[in-house]
Parts: sequence; C-alpha cells; structure tokens
Amino acid sequence: AQSVTQLDSQVPVFEEAPVELRCNYSSSVSVYLFWYVQYPNQGLQLLLKYLSGSTLVKGINGFEAEFNKSQTSFHLRKPSVHISDTAEYFCAVMNYGGSQGNLIFGKGTKLSVKP
Amino acid sequence: DAGVTQSPTHLIKTRGQHVTLRCSPISGHKSVSWYQQVLGQGPQFIFQYYEKEERGRGNFPDRFSARQFPNYSSELNVNALLLGDSALYLCASSTPRGLSSGANVLTFGAGSRLTVL
Repeated sequence: AQSVTQLDSQVPVFEEAPVELRCNYSSSVSVYLFWYVQYPNQGLQLLLKYLSGSTLVKGINGFEAEFNKSQTSFHLRKPSVHISDTAEYFCAVMNYGGSQGNLIFGKGTKLSVKP
Repeated sequence: DAGVTQSPTHLIKTRGQHVTLRCSPISGHKSVSWYQQVLGQGPQFIFQYYEKEERGRGNFPDRFSARQFPNYSSELNVNALLLGDSALYLCASSTPRGLSSGANVLTFGAGSRLTVL
C-alpha cells in the first residue's frame, strides 16, 4: 500500500529565512508527486507537481521541490519565506495508471513564519 | 473563470441525520473526486466519478454514497451521521487524460464544513 510521511508536523521559521518541508513516500509502483497548500478555512491550492522529466520542479510563490527516486523523497524548499507563507502544506502521491482521482496525502506540515 | 464551487459552506447536523453536499466542477472538467479532511489530518479519498460512473472508491462505509449528473456536477450523501463524520469535505475536479497519458491535476474547492452534534 502507498503511504506519505511528512516528517515535521510543525515548522517555525523567521521571515526571510530558508525553509525545507520534508516528504517521503512508499510505493511499489511509479507515482506522480504533488505539493498543495491550505490557508486557514480554505481549500487546497496546488503549489507544484512532478509528473516526469527534470527532477527539480518549480512552483508558484517561489517554491521548488526535488524528486529523489532512490530516497523516495520529494522535499519542498523556499530560499526566503514571507509572513504570507504561513499555512499548512500537504505532500501527495498518485499512482501511475491508477484511479486518476485518488491522491494519497500526508498528514501535513504547518509552516509558521514569524517576523 | 469560476473554480470548483461547493455548497453549503457550513452546516450542522445531529447524529443519525442525513446530509447532502454539492459540487460544481470547473467548466470542461468531467471528473469529480470527493475527500474527507478531519481536523489535523490530510484529506482522505472517498470517491471519484467520471462520466457519471464511479471510477474509484476509498475505504469508507456504505453510509457514504455519491453520484454525478449529466452536467458533471456531483452530490455526496452521508446517511446515519456519526460524530466522527465531522470534517471538511472537499471536492476536486479534473480532466482525465486516460490512464496512459499522465496524471490528472486536481483542482479543489473551498470545502463544506460539516459538524455533527
């Protein structure tokens, strides 16, 4: 069975500091990888995705992530965070060739950016 | 362009009641998926519908059901509500490109927050 582990439930960081949110997955088949962000009392917004090709993917709001197949990781990074990045971030996987609506999510990482 | 719209945004029910949640996908999207997000957890897959047929089902009891209409909108129904059904219910739409053509990217609505007392 597939699973997604987000290693940190909460990450506090000061404004303009770099941040890395960690995500590891387990799967016996090839997967697609996603990061979503959820602001308070809102739905999920897609930050970035890895479908194929270059393992370094860039997303919105200055975020990027690197797919590492050997370590089954897809860590999210931003070189300099802003107060407005305070939100909950979810890593998710989708089976290649599986049900195309079935995303498996991690439990989320709450990023708190302090002035 | 309108995104995925869900209604109602908030609702309160008591144990044993029934609830219907509604979702309108982005124009042109033919697939709708439903997710349950319990407080403090990531979303969990409930159903996927495409062209009015169920294409995927998560590990939820039979009290949960859904359907998709000819205009691709969808309803999620939950019978005999339990306290544990309190959650944010998210709908997502996408345009399936076929199993061999790569992943769909799901666009989520803002959700319907259900409180069961």
